[in-house]
Amino acid sequence: DTGVSQDPRHKITKRGQNVTFRCDPISEHNRLYWYRQTLGQGPEFLTYFQNEAQLEKSRLLSDRFSAERPKGSFSTLEIQRTEQGDSAMYLCASRGLKAGNTEAFFGQGTRLTVV
Amino acid sequence: AQRVTQPEKLLSVFKGAPVELKCNYSYSGSPELFWYVQYSRQRLQLLLRHISRESIKGFTADLNKGETSFHLKKPFAQEEDSAMYYCALRRGWFGNEKLTFGTGTRLTIIP
Repeated sequence: DTGVSQDPRHKITKRGQNVTFRCDPISEHNRLYWYRQTLGQGPEFLTYFQNEAQLEKSRLLSDRFSAERPKGSFSTLEIQRTEQGDSAMYLCASRGLKAGNTEAFFGQGTRLTVV
Repeated sequence: AQRVTQPEKLLSVFKGAPVELKCNYSYSGSPELFWYVQYSRQRLQLLLRHISRESIKGFTADLNKGETSFHLKKPFAQEEDSAMYYCALRRGWFGNEKLTFGTGTRLTIIP
């Protein structure tokens, strides 16, 4: 599968623990996005990278959340001191730079359960 | 701020019957509109976008700026159309990247 890859697929953690998720975008896609999806809702935008620069962050991204894309390739999303409300599916997507390329490709997501 | 509304959480349609999934949006500028689909145990994937004016898997959607709608239609439903469908909007200017999704409609095709 040469699409967007996310790891792990599932994560169960105790409240208060830190977790980190990884996203590998489609090769040569310079734009990378993180979304969060809770039960019964559509995906909600969290943050966006163009190459290694984080250009936009949602107000949903509290101080406990941090995202990085150090070399403009893979990205990590860390949640510190997890809370039960953080339980959700975390989706990563990537998009290329070519003119007229308007499609974002999504990964299969990381399902986080905070107990 | 932009908003996308999908009024139906669930929609059941008999095989061979027409399908219409509703999507309304609020945004004062010129948006880009998309339909994404998620089949069981698969990732979210793009079905179609309004700028392409294409038909994918028999589905079409027309952007109606007067009614601020982007309804998804198919004349004859097939069992493989059963899935979760999300309407999404992106502000149509360079540099904007955020997709705003609706809450989705689960479509079930009854054999």
